[in-house]
Amino acid sequence: NAGVTQTPKFRVLKTGQSMTLLCAQDMNHEYMYWYRQDPGMGLRLIHYSVGEGTTAKGEVPDGYNVSRLKKQNFLLGLESAAPSQTSVYFCASALGAGWSYNEQFFGPGTRLTVL
Amino acid sequence: AQSVTQLGSHVSVSEGALVLLRCNYSSSVPPYLFWYVQYPNQGLQLLLKYTSAATLVKGINGFEAEFKKSETSFHLTKPSAHMSDAAEYFCAVSDGIDAGNNRKLIWGLGTSLAVNP
Repeated sequence: NAGVTQTPKFRVLKTGQSMTLLCAQDMNHEYMYWYRQDPGMGLRLIHYSVGEGTTAKGEVPDGYNVSRLKKQNFLLGLESAAPSQTSVYFCASALGAGWSYNEQFFGPGTRLTVL
Repeated sequence: AQSVTQLGSHVSVSEGALVLLRCNYSSSVPPYLFWYVQYPNQGLQLLLKYTSAATLVKGINGFEAEFKKSETSFHLTKPSAHMSDAAEYFCAVSDGIDAGNNRKLIWGLGTSLAVNP
């Protein structure tokens, strides 16, 4: 099993450009998450999904959109990139409802720079 | 609401010395608690978890943590630090224990561990 994979690993954008980050998991997990990691700020949840076709806002959703059309994929979109979105983005997944605890499994990250 | 506080954003130890990384939580319900490790330029991986079975939890790479309800703590320890332990460590608490209500983890800000030769 590959676990959680993220595409691309690195990307440089100009202000105003758009892009989509792809997260894929092969563990049949229900829950999926997008985080951003910035120095001194830990992990901040952008959006998450508790099942195919569902999405919900996290603590820093502005400027991002997501879609979960297939259970195994969770896409994060930036419609008009801003320098403040320069960050490392992590995707994670978890088993889902019916489990008393949901440890999260992380992808390797995408390093995004917006100029 | 749950919250997590990691005391000390940077900890430095000598190789062979005791590692102690502190985590305190607040929770209105019995918590599930996690420690994750992030090596440079990598994603996070689970180090260990407390799920209400044993209060002393053993994890990978010789780490362990003890759940102390009276102190609302879940400190991470390792008897003898190794150079390869240099990493960022994150403590997290589950959002809830009810099935369907445990969707998110509440994260601490992380502690960067440096190991000096």
